[in-house]
Amino acid sequence: NAGVTQTPKFRVLKTGQSMTLLCAQDMNHEYMYWYRQDPGMGLRLIHYSVGEGTTAKGEVPDGYNVSRLKKQNFLLGLESAAPSQTSVYFCASSYTLNDPRTGQPQHFGDGTRLSIL
Amino acid sequence: QQQVKQSPQSLIVQKGGISIINCAYENTAFDYFPWYQQFPGKGPALLIAIRPDVSEKKEGRFTISFNKSAKQFSLHIMDSQPGDSATYFCAAIMGGGADGLTFGKGTHLIIQP
Repeated sequence: NAGVTQTPKFRVLKTGQSMTLLCAQDMNHEYMYWYRQDPGMGLRLIHYSVGEGTTAKGEVPDGYNVSRLKKQNFLLGLESAAPSQTSVYFCASSYTLNDPRTGQPQHFGDGTRLSIL
Repeated sequence: QQQVKQSPQSLIVQKGGISIINCAYENTAFDYFPWYQQFPGKGPALLIAIRPDVSEKKEGRFTISFNKSAKQFSLHIMDSQPGDSATYFCAAIMGGGADGLTFGKGTHLIIQP
């Protein structure tokens, strides 16, 4: 049982390049999230999904797109990378808090460290 | 507008002492308040959580105190150990959790041996 797996773990991009970050969870969670973590800023929600085929914007969605074609996968895309998108990206997943199976609100992956030059 | 304010930004405590981290929230729709612990190179992991109908929750050396009227909650780590050295985040969530967590900015805790 791997939990939440993020790939890649590290990546360096040049300004203007595009890339996709992959998040996979094996816990059959309905909800999935993408956050970015910057020094002194905590974690901020980029986009989230409450089920297969659905996505919604979070606090800082500009410059990112997401897709959830399969329940277990949540993809984060950078269309045209900018230095301001240099960050550590975390994916998380959960059941709804009202689900009696819930042991914790969100399980996190170990992050993707992205540098944009 | 920062919805969850966390203090202090950094904290140094002697081994065996009590570590205290404070958070305040603004949105009264929040109804679940977890604390996360993060070690370098790892994702945040749930430490302990509380709902606003409870004023205190204790799990081992970790205690959350919750003051609903003041919209404040705090984490107390008793008998702090060097292994507790990490970054701690308070967070808040509302409803069924679909809208994601709102995090404080984090506290870097160092426990000196």
